[in-house]
Amino acid sequence: EAGVTQSPTHLIKTRGQQATLRCSPISGHTSVYWYQQALGLGLQFLLWYDEGEERNRGNFPPRFSGRQFPNYSSELNVNALELEDSALYLCASSRIGSSYNEQFFGPGTRLTVL
Amino acid sequence: KQEVTQIPAALSVPEGENLVLNCSFTDSAIYNLQWFRQDPGKGLTSLLLIQSSQREQTSGRLNASLDKSSGRSTLYIAASQPGDSATYLCAVPDNYGQNFVFGPGTRLSVLP
Repeated sequence: EAGVTQSPTHLIKTRGQQATLRCSPISGHTSVYWYQQALGLGLQFLLWYDEGEERNRGNFPPRFSGRQFPNYSSELNVNALELEDSALYLCASSRIGSSYNEQFFGPGTRLTVL
Repeated sequence: KQEVTQIPAALSVPEGENLVLNCSFTDSAIYNLQWFRQDPGKGLTSLLLIQSSQREQTSGRLNASLDKSSGRSTLYIAASQPGDSATYLCAVPDNYGQNFVFGPGTRLSVLP
């Protein structure tokens, strides 16, 4: 069974540009979670999607947004990039829409903003 | 608001030692607790998930225990190996059970 996949592996952008990150969950999982891990900081919850809907978002500005497609894959968009957006972005999936269930993580996308 | 702490922040041990990593959380009304491993610059690998009704879970050389009443979990690693070197994170659902709150992690180095 394939695990959670993310693309691209690395992404380099300049300040003010937009970045799009993609995630494919494990087959059969309907929930997708996005987390940010900035250098020296812990994992911070960004967004949770389930059955195509945004269910919850963390304490991040509106320029962080995303969506979930009918096949449950997900996209994270970051607009008007700032230097402090440089981080490892991790996607996780779980079987049903609750963090009571085990989350499985992808390898991450390393975003660098110059 | 759920908060998670981990002690120690870093640990260096010689190969073969048994060791204990600690995780504490402020709100004991959790449904589960999950331990992860993260290698530098990589994603998270799920190690163990303990449901609130369980006291411990075992997988190979790893054993995780959960004491909800005291807000603590421990991860026990037996006969440590250099390949165990990584950062270990614990996570619990937030107060609304809708996303995980992570601890800052324990960075483990096992020396050959």
